Amino acid sequence: DAMVIQNPRYQVTQFGKPVTLSCSQTLNHNVMYWYQQKSSQAPKLLFHYYDKDFNNEADTPDNFQSRRPNTSFCFLDIRSPGLGDAAMYLCATSSGGDAGANVLTFGAGSRLTVL
Amino acid sequence: GNSVTQMEGPVTLSEEAFLTINCTYTATGYPSLFWYVQYPGEGLQLLLKATKADDKGSNKGFEATYRKETTSFHLEKGSVQVSDSAVYFCALSPSGAGSYQLTFGKGTKLSVIP
Repeated sequence: DAMVIQNPRYQVTQFGKPVTLSCSQTLNHNVMYWYQQKSSQAPKLLFHYYDKDFNNEADTPDNFQSRRPNTSFCFLDIRSPGLGDAAMYLCATSSGGDAGANVLTFGAGSRLTVL
Repeated sequence: GNSVTQMEGPVTLSEEAFLTINCTYTATGYPSLFWYVQYPGEGLQLLLKATKADDKGSNKGFEATYRKETTSFHLEKGSVQVSDSAVYFCALSPSGAGSYQLTFGKGTKLSVIP
């Protein structure tokens, strides 16, 4: 089945220790997104790629970076995690065709704990 | 800017009860509207969508109608089951080319008890 896979599902890190979360997709979708979801809150878009074009949200902290080396993979790098970065990180993809019916396919998420 | 407001949870219902989860939105133009569902331990899944005014989205017994006059997209189901227990998110996608951002509501947790 075509899908979006996130690794690891659970990540524990220490304050200030860099973390990388990965996302892979077999859907051959053009667009890949990273969302941050804190407890009982709406998912918040951090950035997205349309093919190789990177689009950063204005309020995404510089501490968060992303890489998309090819169509299938996208990485979220947190350079110096703080306690406030503990959250579920959701990767999603979409075809990017008709923006008005932009259906996203999500991975299961990576839950980050910062000690 | 765009925003989505949905009713606060948690909502607890008995099996076979009627469900309504209210959702209203603020956006310019004619956004597309969605309901996503998140089951425990899983990612979000599309439940249903509507892309223009008066459209009705439906799936798995759930329905929602795009009401432009009231800027609403309320989710309904006539008879809920225990397996419907999940968090439900209302979302919008702005109209216009190149608009890929999906704006979510805060989510409503539904618990269905036998």
